[in-house]
Amino acid sequence: AQSVAQPEDQVNVAEGNPLTVKCTYSVSGNPYLFWYVQYPNRGLQFLLKYITGDNLVKGSYGFEAEFNKSQTSFHLKKPSALVSDSALYFCAVRDQGYDMRFGAGTRLTVKP
Amino acid sequence: GAVVSQHPSWVICKSGTSVKIECRSLDFQATTMFWYRQFPKQSLMLMATSNEGSKATYEQGVEKDKFLINHASLTLSTLTVTSAHPEDSSFYICSARDLTGSYEQYFGPGTRLTVT
Repeated sequence: AQSVAQPEDQVNVAEGNPLTVKCTYSVSGNPYLFWYVQYPNRGLQFLLKYITGDNLVKGSYGFEAEFNKSQTSFHLKKPSALVSDSALYFCAVRDQGYDMRFGAGTRLTVKP
Repeated sequence: GAVVSQHPSWVICKSGTSVKIECRSLDFQATTMFWYRQFPKQSLMLMATSNEGSKATYEQGVEKDKFLINHASLTLSTLTVTSAHPEDSSFYICSARDLTGSYEQYFGPGTRLTVT
């Protein structure tokens, strides 16, 4: 069975500081890993994915994530946070199977 | 990029009535569509997976007679909430995968259902 965990319900950072949103996963095979962002009353927006290849994945809006197989992690990062980055972030995993499973979500608040 | 639309974006209905939510892939064909439910401040929970032309596969605990899913074409799936109750009030999000098997699932904007 596949699962993903986001250990932090809330992350607070100051604008201009680097941010990290954590994600760990559990799959039986090779993972397909994703990050999505959700703004209030909106659907999910795709940020980035890891399928294979380079462990450092670059995505939309300056976000990047690093796949670490030994730690089974896929943390989302951004070098300099913006107030507009404040939103709900979801990590997701898809195994060799069919559907995607989501983490509980992490609310990111960037303060000016 | 690929676009998935949902209609309506929000709906208010009375308890006991049925509500239909449409999910369309606008610029690609989707053999598989997924329906998720999201409660406030919670994650997305997969309700069911629908394949075009066949019966949907429901997750454990989801009542298939209450949440009717029809995937009639490669671009349209519908979710009908039958005999709605206030506890069915939620944010429903659909997702679609295209025929090429790309690894992203494209998500609709969601439908806010409020049952009074």
